[in-house]
Amino acid sequence: GAVVSQHPSRVICKSGTSVKIECRSLDFQATTMFWYRQFPKQSLMLMATSNEGSKATYEQGVEKDKFLINHASLTLSTLTVTSAHPEDSSFYICSASDSARNTDTQYFGPGTRLTVL
Amino acid sequence: GEDVEQSLFLSVREGDSSVINCTYTDSSSTYLYWYKQEPGAGLQLLTYIFSNMDMKQDQRLTVLLNKKDKHLSLRIADTQTGDSAIYFCAERGSNYQLIWGAGTKLIIKP
Repeated sequence: GAVVSQHPSRVICKSGTSVKIECRSLDFQATTMFWYRQFPKQSLMLMATSNEGSKATYEQGVEKDKFLINHASLTLSTLTVTSAHPEDSSFYICSASDSARNTDTQYFGPGTRLTVL
Repeated sequence: GEDVEQSLFLSVREGDSSVINCTYTDSSSTYLYWYKQEPGAGLQLLTYIFSNMDMKQDQRLTVLLNKKDKHLSLRIADTQTGDSAIYFCAERGSNYQLIWGAGTKLIIKP
């Protein structure tokens, strides 16, 4: 149980285009999902906390108009990178907490590698 | 602010035990986690420990928590080549957010 999927797993796009990444909890409901970004050889950086039915909470330094987050249901959150630039190239990982459990454990998706040309 | 620190590299011989250490600063942390990241892959939860526990064992993995010193360790017994990965220590901060260490790259020597 507790599987989180991401789609796509890899995407290459041209500079200036927008890219949408989906994060789904497959066998549990997640009122809260998190979006992380990982630069090469660095740790994960929390970008934003996504709450179902409300606006996402962004970390300091993360542009909310550039990284649009929508958490429309208890099993789906999307991250849209708008007007992507080469410096947005990174590994984006989402995680979700199982609302029904008390362990507060976050289950991670496999990640999406974004390359902006 | 909250901070989690790990050494960046650990090299061990195949068959030996690996011990990866982590220190954290938030004494109110309730859960502490160890994640494994294999090359090009996402994160895999290895194990976690609740803050009122001193030790947790799961097959080859042993987690030790010294809450007084805010020190967490992960011991991998009989280290195999498949254990080569980056191991991340994380603590649970407020609002379910995880505070991450920089990761320790485990290198296995034959």
